[in-house]
Amino acid sequence: EAGVAQSPRYKIIEKRQSVAFWCNPISGHATLYWYQQILGQGPKLLIQFQNNGVVDDSQLPKDRFSAERLKGVDSTLKIQPAKLEDSAVYLCASSLSWAGSNTEAFFGQGTRLTVV
Amino acid sequence: GESVGLHLPTLSVQEGDNSIINCAYSNSASDYFIWYKQESGKGPQFIIDIRSNMDKRQGQRVTVLLNKTVKHLSLQIAATQPGDSAVYFCAEGSRTALIFGKGTTLSVSS
Repeated sequence: EAGVAQSPRYKIIEKRQSVAFWCNPISGHATLYWYQQILGQGPKLLIQFQNNGVVDDSQLPKDRFSAERLKGVDSTLKIQPAKLEDSAVYLCASSLSWAGSNTEAFFGQGTRLTVV
Repeated sequence: GESVGLHLPTLSVQEGDNSIINCAYSNSASDYFIWYKQESGKGPQFIIDIRSNMDKRQGQRVTVLLNKTVKHLSLQIAATQPGDSAVYFCAEGSRTALIFGKGTTLSVSS
């Protein structure tokens, strides 16, 4: 079974530039999550999709971050403009259903973003 | 806000010893709890989970204990191996998503 695919693996940008991350979840998984993991901390949920609808985006900095999941499959996360504090690993995860139904979430390897 | 946290940031053990990693949570409405293992440069990997109506669950070399009275979760790893060296996170699942704690770094020496 193919896992969650993310690209790029690494990205270095200057502050105030924009960047986009891509995620392809496991086939058939309805729920997709984007997490931000700052060095030395646990992953912090940014947004959760159920199919192509947003379930929770309460911690997404909407003034600069946006995410979409067109057609309920692939997803992109965008930052515009980037700040130094956005340097982190951005993790995508997917599960058959949403977390409250006790289904395992599978994570991709993440995209390491460095803002200079 | 409510969050999931871990008692110790690091734990060092000898190969063959049993390891116990602890976690305290505060959201009594969480439906289930999960332990994840994260190796350097990789995403978190599911280890074991437990529903809120259970107090113990066993897997291969791992056991998760849940004490709802004191809101405490622990992961026990039997016969710890060098390959177990990683950062371990507990997470709680509720109606929306998984909330992670800060993690415990487990170091296993031969």
